[in-house]
Parts: sequence; structure tokens; C-alpha cells
Amino acid sequence: DADVTQTPRNRITKTGKRIMLECSQTKGHDRMYWYRQDPGLGLRLIYYSFDVKDINKGEISDGYSVSRQAQAKFSLSLESAIPNQTALYFCATSDPAGTGDWELFFGEGSRLTVL
Amino acid sequence: DQQVKQNSPSLSVQEGRISILNCDYTNSMFDYFLWYKKYPAEGPTFLISISSIKDKNEDGRFTVFLNKSAKHLSLHIVPSQPGDSAVYFCAASASRTGNQFYFGTGTSLTVIP
Repeated sequence: DADVTQTPRNRITKTGKRIMLECSQTKGHDRMYWYRQDPGLGLRLIYYSFDVKDINKGEISDGYSVSRQAQAKFSLSLESAIPNQTALYFCATSDPAGTGDWELFFGEGSRLTVL
Repeated sequence: DQQVKQNSPSLSVQEGRISILNCDYTNSMFDYFLWYKKYPAEGPTFLISISSIKDKNEDGRFTVFLNKSAKHLSLHIVPSQPGDSAVYFCAASASRTGNQFYFGTGTSLTVIP
């Protein structure tokens, strides 16, 4: 089983719908991140969380919200999806202060298409 | 503005030859640099890193070189193998425990058998 699991892996939705992408991890890491990947733009940070009570905006947080339900769970919501949110979304974890895993560990990605 | 740039979207190399992937950055505060490898339908996986106190780090067939004055790093793969065909992302952080990693746009490497 993957250490960082994302659901759903693929989702097609319509403009204006609310969408939630979920991430869970078994690595015991404190830090969790949401990135999106777009062709020609690489990976860009949406939100990150250093622990359950800590949520921070990344460089492209507009139109998104997150919830850190537990140390192992971090979900990303699109309250009202729009077509330019069509992208590949990645959850990642790290734990420089705990296990010493300072590099990012990524999930397999969630491909979202907004029509 | 893109703080980490990979100016070559793609690269093709013959099996057994050297692959050189390049990355430039603009922020002089970056202290840690990483390379990630990504296969289709998978998440990126960590490959190799280097801190700014070094100019070279080697791990098997993979070597990363850092030129701080030029704000440039490169990943060398020797010898290249077909299984190395993937997209490679360069990333940078202002510290090892930094809260934000900045990624380049990726270079798609194809190793031709």
C-alpha cells in the first residue's frame, strides 16, 4: 500500500460543483501539502499544514480551502469548481523535525477535470 | 515569477550515454536543492539533493552539481538507461526545514535503447 494515498484518482465534474480531494498518509509525518501540476508550469503549492492546528496558504490558494482532520489526513476543497482548476493535484508529506524526512513524499495524484 | 526554471522541456539521449538536465534559480536565499523523478500516472519521487555548502553530490549513476555563483544546478545520469525515461523536476528551498519548495517546470527525458 502507498504511504501517501489520494482519493479520488480521477474526477470529472462541472463548473460550480463542490469537490473534495482527500489525502491520507501512513508515514507519521507532521507536515502535509497540496500541490497542483499544470503543463508548462510545474508544481505549485496551494496549501500546507505543519500540524493539525496549523494551516497556511501557498502561492495559489485562491479558490481552494483545506482541512486537516487529523495528523494523517489533509483534504483539499474546491467550493465552486471552475475550468481553470482542471489540473493534476498532488498531496505530499515531510517531517524534518520528527523522522528527519525533510524531502517531500508525494501521493500518486488526483486528476481533476472541470467542464 | 518562476523562481526555479528548467529551460529544456525535453531531452533525448542514447542508452549508455550521459544525460545532463539543467536547472536555474533566481532566489539567492535558496540553500537546498532537490531533483525528483516522475513516471506517468505516478507521483514524483525524490532522487537526489544537494545543500549549498557543497558543489557536488553523487549517488550511484546520479550526480548533482551546484554552481552558486551562476545560480545553476545540473543532474548528470551516467550511463543512461531506458528506465530513466521520465520527467525530472528540479526543486529548491530556503532551508532544509523550510516550509516551501519551489519547483521547476520539468524536463522530459527519453533514453533511446
